[in-house]
Amino acid sequence: GDSVTQMEGPVTLSEEAFLTINCTYTATGYPSLFWYVQYPGEGLQLLLKATKADDKGSNKGFEATYRKETTSFHLEKGSVQVSDSAVYFCALRSDDMRFGAGTRLTVKP
Amino acid sequence: ETGVTQTPRHLVMGMTNKKSLKCEQHLGHNAMYWYKQSAKKPLELMFVYSLEERVENNSVPSRFSPECPNSSHLFLHLHTLQPEDSALYLCASSQLSSGGYNEQFFGPGTRLTVL
Repeated sequence: GDSVTQMEGPVTLSEEAFLTINCTYTATGYPSLFWYVQYPGEGLQLLLKATKADDKGSNKGFEATYRKETTSFHLEKGSVQVSDSAVYFCALRSDDMRFGAGTRLTVKP
Repeated sequence: ETGVTQTPRHLVMGMTNKKSLKCEQHLGHNAMYWYKQSAKKPLELMFVYSLEERVENNSVPSRFSPECPNSSHLFLHLHTLQPEDSALYLCASSQLSSGGYNEQFFGPGTRLTVL
């Protein structure tokens, strides 16, 4: 079945560092891809999405590009802030939603 | 209210209690979901309702009983739970269209502790 694999955390960075969280997927057909973020004590929030190959989703300085040839959707941000500390989930939607296990990011001042 | 709301935000119950979790979506969606989020485990899909019909039940124990009285409301009735049922229970909604289910919007969750 369809699945998502994302890098295990936790990830700890200093403020203004570059962030990459890897995500790869396995799917039949052409799924839509998503990144969700979960701040402490809250539910998941949609961060960005891409619905077809080569699409780039972006929001709040975060970006991810739908790479069909490598079946990847890596999340990047050029300069992280302390407020970006959260758990990030990669997900795909084909017939239903599949979520990765989540990657906890901690950004230190 | 906007988005997806859940009540209560926190719940502590004994193993013999009966309680219910409530979810309400204000987005006009026609599909709703219950997820269980436990520490150090992937998000677990429990139930899916589409157009008020249950379309998925992922081998969830019968001590969890969902109810979807209309497209805006979803309940999770709890009885005789076990301590391992302690978790964050998340509700989500989405819109079912001709292309399938669109992205899901989540509520803030109910933190459940079973003593």
